[in-house]
Parts: sequence; C-alpha cells; structure tokens
Amino acid sequence: DAKTTQPTSMDCAEGRAANLPCNHSTISGNEYVYWYRQIHSQGPQYIIHGLKNNETNEMASLIITEDRKSSTLILPHATLRDTAVYYCIVRVQAGTALIFGKGTTLSVSS
Amino acid sequence: DSGVTQTPKHLITATGQRVTLRCSPRSGDLSVYWYQQSLDQGLQFLIQYYNGEERAKGNILERFSAQQFPDLHSELNLSSLELGDSALYFCASSARLAGGLDTQYFGPGTRLTVL
Repeated sequence: DAKTTQPTSMDCAEGRAANLPCNHSTISGNEYVYWYRQIHSQGPQYIIHGLKNNETNEMASLIITEDRKSSTLILPHATLRDTAVYYCIVRVQAGTALIFGKGTTLSVSS
Repeated sequence: DSGVTQTPKHLITATGQRVTLRCSPRSGDLSVYWYQQSLDQGLQFLIQYYNGEERAKGNILERFSAQQFPDLHSELNLSSLELGDSALYFCASSARLAGGLDTQYFGPGTRLTVL
C-alpha cells in the first residue's frame, strides 16, 4: 500500500502557483519523497525528490516540513500543459520499485 | 523524451493468445522495471531486472514472464491472455541499484487490448 495521502483533485488557474500537498506521516528517517506526474496515459515523468531540505529544479519546488510528515509540491506558474495526475511517493533506497497511490488530479484552466 | 523506448505502441489480440512487449532502456541504464496500469488497479509494479538478472517481483501473474538480454533490452511476455489483462504496460529504467538515489525514467508505454 502507498504510504502517502493526497487530495483526489485540485484546480488551478493558469499562471498561478499550484500547491499540491502530500501527507506521509509514517515516513522513516532514510526515506525520500519523490514526485512524479502522468499526463493523460503517457509514461510517468519524474519531477523532483528530497530528503529533508527544500529542493528546487527547473520544473518545481519541493517543501518538506521539519518533522518530514508532509510535503508540498509547488509549480510556480502553472500552464495548461501541467494538467496531469501528480503522484507523491516515499522510497527508502535506490534500486527499488515505485509504489504509486492514486495521486492528485490537477486541472489547470485558463 | 525520456530515452526509454517501448514497442509496440498498441497491441490488440484475442483471449488465450500470447504477446511480447519490448523495452529498450536509456543508454547506460542497467535496471529495468515493468509496471501495469489498469483502470481499476492503477499503476502497479510487476518485475525488475538488473544487468540481466531478476531483482524483484511485484504483482506479476504466473502467466507473465520477463527477461533482460545482454544488450540490456527487456521483454515482457504475457500468455493465456484474459480480458482483464487489457492495460497500459510501462517500462522504466534507472542507472544504479545502490550508492545513491536513482531516478526511474519511464517509456511511453504499450497499450494492450484483449478482445
């Protein structure tokens, strides 16, 4: 079973920031938080990952709370192309499979 | 483009038949994962290979098997197909098993329809 809880769906206006929450209250000290997204039946796309520090790359920012029990993925300026299912996954180590939950369906509208 | 290729894109077949799905990992990646995505089960891990050896198994049926060849491409064989096997099948590749984090990069998938 997935170790994360995410809202089923969220809406966002184009150009605004999309903030996607994820609860992972049972996360262990050596588990990382990964985010992937899947755009309309395409292969899942890696977005970002982190352990305890906030992370930023060209796609998004990841904010992890100090107790590591939750995190937020931030898409700073959402576009229509960001409409997708976003998956938050906790993972203990390299070389292990990804366990996907149901994710959050983000709908970006103009 | 993730660099992972999968063929064919679409496959339509009948119940009881056998099919083979093919995956070519990103250049240099040694690890290949297979996932199944059906409407009712979501994305589920099937099996993992690393440098030609089976590494881990997930919810893979006995009717399904896989292998990874010396050139690192992988094939997923599905036999005695049933209607419920209709799904998207994705493969993903990653560079390493240990010594740091690895990112899995997914292919575009094969859509299997069993009639």
